[in-house]
Amino acid sequence: DTGVSQDPRHKITKRGQNVTFRCDPISEHNRLYWYRQTLGQGPEFLTYFQNEAQLEKSRLLSDRFSAERPKGSFSTLEIQRTEQGDSAMYLCASSLENSPLHFGNGTRLTVT
Amino acid sequence: AQSVTQLDSQVPVFEEAPVELRCNYSSSVSVYLFWYVQYPNQGLQLLLKYLSGSTLVESINGFEAEFNKSQTSFHLRKPSVHISDTAEYFCAVSDLGSYIPTFGRGTSLIVHP
Repeated sequence: DTGVSQDPRHKITKRGQNVTFRCDPISEHNRLYWYRQTLGQGPEFLTYFQNEAQLEKSRLLSDRFSAERPKGSFSTLEIQRTEQGDSAMYLCASSLENSPLHFGNGTRLTVT
Repeated sequence: AQSVTQLDSQVPVFEEAPVELRCNYSSSVSVYLFWYVQYPNQGLQLLLKYLSGSTLVESINGFEAEFNKSQTSFHLRKPSVHISDTAEYFCAVSDLGSYIPTFGRGTSLIVHP
């Protein structure tokens, strides 16, 4: 169990730029989740995958956000035309079906 | 959709004192309940979980939580805290069959020597 890995740890970008984050889940886990956490708040659900299928998306996930998990292994989260309000910690988690989530250390995004 | 209320944003306590971190959730339907802990500069780690069975669940480091269905609560307790317990604690709930946890806003436990 090497844990959930997220890359990069930190990303600073200018408003209007596109950014992409990567998540490598625990290898045998078939579920993968993306959450967003802002200062003083708990994690907020964005989307989740079972294998390669994206099964649920939050209303928080605007049209500028897209997530993929092309082969049911790693996942990417892309934010287009970033806004200052997108500044947050983006958390990835994975799990087996009907098991608790294992979280990565997150990617901290700062939009200037 | 579920909502989770953690009534205290910050709980300061002296070392070796008891502590209770409160958590209430919105729905009385069957749920899974979790406490996660986030130490400074680290990711969230599962502390303990209630899925079914005994309403009192324990962690390996002395924390326990009791599921109270009538009060829709899942409060976290420890009889004697250590400096190393200083962290952010998040309560989370998911509906049976969903397994998409909804998190509270967290309680910062600050243990003073």
